[in-house]
Amino acid sequence: QSVLTQPPSASGTPGQRVTISCSGSRSNTGSNYVHWYQHLPGTAPKLLIYRNNQRPSGVPDRFSGSKSGTSASLAISGLRSEDEAGYYCAAWDDILGGPVFGGGTELTVL
Amino acid sequence: QITLKESGPTLVKPTQTLTLTCTFSGFSLSTSGVGVGWIRQPPGKALEWLALIYWDDERRYSPSLKSRLTITKDTSKNQVVLTMTNMDPVDTATYYCAHMVGSGTYYYNYYMDVWGKGTTVTVSS
Repeated sequence: QSVLTQPPSASGTPGQRVTISCSGSRSNTGSNYVHWYQHLPGTAPKLLIYRNNQRPSGVPDRFSGSKSGTSASLAISGLRSEDEAGYYCAAWDDILGGPVFGGGTELTVL
Repeated sequence: QITLKESGPTLVKPTQTLTLTCTFSGFSLSTSGVGVGWIRQPPGKALEWLALIYWDDERRYSPSLKSRLTITKDTSKNQVVLTMTNMDPVDTATYYCAHMVGSGTYYYNYYMDVWGKGTTVTVSS
């Protein structure tokens, strides 16, 4: 069981907007930045969003992040087939003294 | 360009010690604001952090695995080594190392921005 809670799956059709949620507690998402990763099996996880809503260079602006209280969200607009992947949220946990991850959300593009 | 590559045995026996090496390029682990972390993902399960090491040699371990883990760095070789003792079949996973970026000693503000592709370790007799 993961410290951060994500829905196990999400889906959408090409061009749609999809949102993935990430819920934690005061010791992690409630008091620290949330980061998002995209992961395809056999590849290196890719940083999509850091510090709640910042995009690294090279990440399309179709990807956006937000945080409110102890919950965070990743939004993907203009859904494309290549967005089909696993998405993970992460945040520092003040009690554990390290980063914690969500269980991951598998996104299917129908 | 930052790159990291994990290496080590693909198969270990129960009770053995696992030694994994992360060889990196494009940064120095003696530069302020830099760190390297180890994370694993058992088949069908979530990512789990194992250990972190920072530019100033600060080290953090997952509380649930702390007694079994040791992380060290060799800045001259651009390597970070993770050892995990008393391996068990439940430790079967893909192990990743990742570059961390942050600011000074504000360790809670660091995040993993570049990951290696991972190495799969199976624990079986």
